[in-house]
Amino acid sequence: EIVLTQSPGTLSLSPGERATLSCRASQSISSNYLAWYQQKPGQAPRLLISGASSRATGIPDRFSGSGSGTDFTLTISRLEPEDFAVYYCQQYDSSPPWTFGQGTKVEIK
Amino acid sequence: EVQLVESGGGLVQPGGSLRLSCAASGFTFSSYSMNWVRQGPGKGLEWVSYFSSSSGTVYYADSVKGRFTISADNAKNSLYLQMNSLRAEDTAVYYCARRSASSTSGRYFDYWGQGTLVTVSS
Repeated sequence: EIVLTQSPGTLSLSPGERATLSCRASQSISSNYLAWYQQKPGQAPRLLISGASSRATGIPDRFSGSGSGTDFTLTISRLEPEDFAVYYCQQYDSSPPWTFGQGTKVEIK
Repeated sequence: EVQLVESGGGLVQPGGSLRLSCAASGFTFSSYSMNWVRQGPGKGLEWVSYFSSSSGTVYYADSVKGRFTISADNAKNSLYLQMNSLRAEDTAVYYCARRSASSTSGRYFDYWGQGTLVTVSS
């Protein structure tokens, strides 16, 4: 089973600042099958990024994903008020279990 | 518009059973594989089970294997999760999530329902 470790656990930033979230895998993720999701309180997760770097439909270009192998990053270039949420990475390699990181909370400083 | 609507959650005693449903609309249900993902109170996301209508393939997380059964009814555009021998640690919001069509980015979870809460307590 691939274990995903996200850091930091909490990121305290102000609107307009840049957010950098990390996701590290316990083994290499083939074909960079790594997704990022955003979740707000009381809501379902929302797909942001697939394939490590492809933005989902309707996702603003301030969100970008990068990385390969075992190290991946989600960057929010300039935080908007609606971006304060919890972010999860997920690996969806060929066979289950498909695992999630424990999440990074981006909170208003 | 793709919609996934879960139902069937509620309060159940330890050892009891519950059946969750996920009604799908806005896409050809039989052409996509589906998943259940859960989230314990204040916790992260945990993949639970997978179902492929085209192949009949099912997968389960070790934590639910032998207790939960996933199924689907293409005529009703619905996904189900039969949960038996429930434990306190099964308490969670249960989401159904669609696995995307194959692409260069692989097959990720592209649409999620709003979830249904299952509480296992005496």
